[in-house]
Amino acid sequence: AQTVTQSQPEMSVQEAETVTLSCTYDTSESDYYLFWYKQPPSRQMILVIRQEAYKQQNATENRFSVNFQKAAKSFSLKISDSQLGDAAMYFCAYRSNFGNEKLTFGTGTRLTIIP
Amino acid sequence: NAGVTQTPKFRVLKTGQSMTLLCAQDMNHEYMYWYRQDPGMGLRLIHYSVGEGTTAKGEVPDGYNVSRLKKQNFLLGLESAAPSQTSVYFCASSSRLGSSIFGTFGSGTRLTVV
Repeated sequence: AQTVTQSQPEMSVQEAETVTLSCTYDTSESDYYLFWYKQPPSRQMILVIRQEAYKQQNATENRFSVNFQKAAKSFSLKISDSQLGDAAMYFCAYRSNFGNEKLTFGTGTRLTIIP
Repeated sequence: NAGVTQTPKFRVLKTGQSMTLLCAQDMNHEYMYWYRQDPGMGLRLIHYSVGEGTTAKGEVPDGYNVSRLKKQNFLLGLESAAPSQTSVYFCASSSRLGSSIFGTFGSGTRLTVV
């Protein structure tokens, strides 16, 4: 079974600085998707960024980028120029593209932005 | 507005009572999921469905049942609520392929069992 591990329960960063959130996963599959979600205090789950495993190029969405290391099964999220609105819980998630459509989440990292 | 709608948003149950949570999506997504979120545990998958009339167990299915009689609806039932089922419940849907393969989530249901 696929598992997703986020080893940092809490992180903090100064406003305007850069922070990296870690995620590792375990799978025997070669074709899958990886996601980062943001959950602000409103409780709404918001997709931040996605990565297809077959793509070697790391995904980027404005200030958010990932470092996808397929062999190491690592998928970290980098937030540049951190803003107060980035404060939230961040969840890493995995979904197979073949035969197992479960969307599996890590336990989350709470990010605090220090003004 | 297109999206996932969960009802109710809040509920308090007494131990032993039953209830059904409704999830409805209007995006014609094939897959639907029910999760529970507890502090420090992330989102744990209860049950999911890959199409109308199909359901499958997730990580924590005990004490819950589900049905997907229509493609747009996914019901989560608690037959005899227990305090351990106090949680925030999220429904999500996604497409099998294409740009919507990530999960679109409802706004959650906070359930308290006393």
